[in-house]
Amino acid sequence: IQLTQSPSLLSASVGDRVTLSCKGSQNINNYLAWYQQKLGEAPKLLIYKTNSLQTGIPSRFSGSGSGTDYTLTISSLHSEDLATYYCYQYNNGLTFGSGTKLEIK
Amino acid sequence: EVQLVESGGGLVQPGRSMKLSCAASGFTFNNYDMAWVCQAPKKGLEWVATISYDGSSTYYRDSVKGRFTISRDNAKSTLYLQMDSLRSEDTATYYCARHASPLYWYFDFWGPGTMVTVSS
Repeated sequence: IQLTQSPSLLSASVGDRVTLSCKGSQNINNYLAWYQQKLGEAPKLLIYKTNSLQTGIPSRFSGSGSGTDYTLTISSLHSEDLATYYCYQYNNGLTFGSGTKLEIK
Repeated sequence: EVQLVESGGGLVQPGRSMKLSCAASGFTFNNYDMAWVCQAPKKGLEWVATISYDGSSTYYRDSVKGRFTISRDNAKSTLYLQMDSLRSEDTATYYCARHASPLYWYFDFWGPGTMVTVSS
């Protein structure tokens, strides 16, 4: 399964509501996770099984979707959310999307 | 606290071998499937290989099959990646990662990574 993330680059202001998209080439059956990777760091798990928030992750992060289309939403952008975000499917094989780089205006 | 710490990276010539290690602590290592994930410079993430909790099953991405071998020593809580016949395109940061459960193969914890550079 191939994953296409859009946009590849997103610029937003502190306080904005931000939506990142991930589209699969086949049905992912909700086996989709989201990772945050800050510059020079390892990825961090944010969301698993489409909408389950990992322990310790702020509630401003949420996930949704079904079938082939999934979304990560940040309800109110914080400056520390500057990072690249990857979606990842584990329904059929193990694949990552190409990432969305989130910049703070 | 779950900790994964990789080691063994560095500069290696094309065609040569390198072995990475990942020391695990803070959890019962032999209860978890483990994996290696790589990231080429300024590129995205790619799953490389997975090994089952007891070492009985291994899985690889196509580009490394026959060249890389994942293994583990549960007595030492250590994961390994033997990389043979290295190519320039294997240049990447290699992360050790824990699969969250036997049924759901997302990664819940990652090490900080070790850089491998394949160059003459």
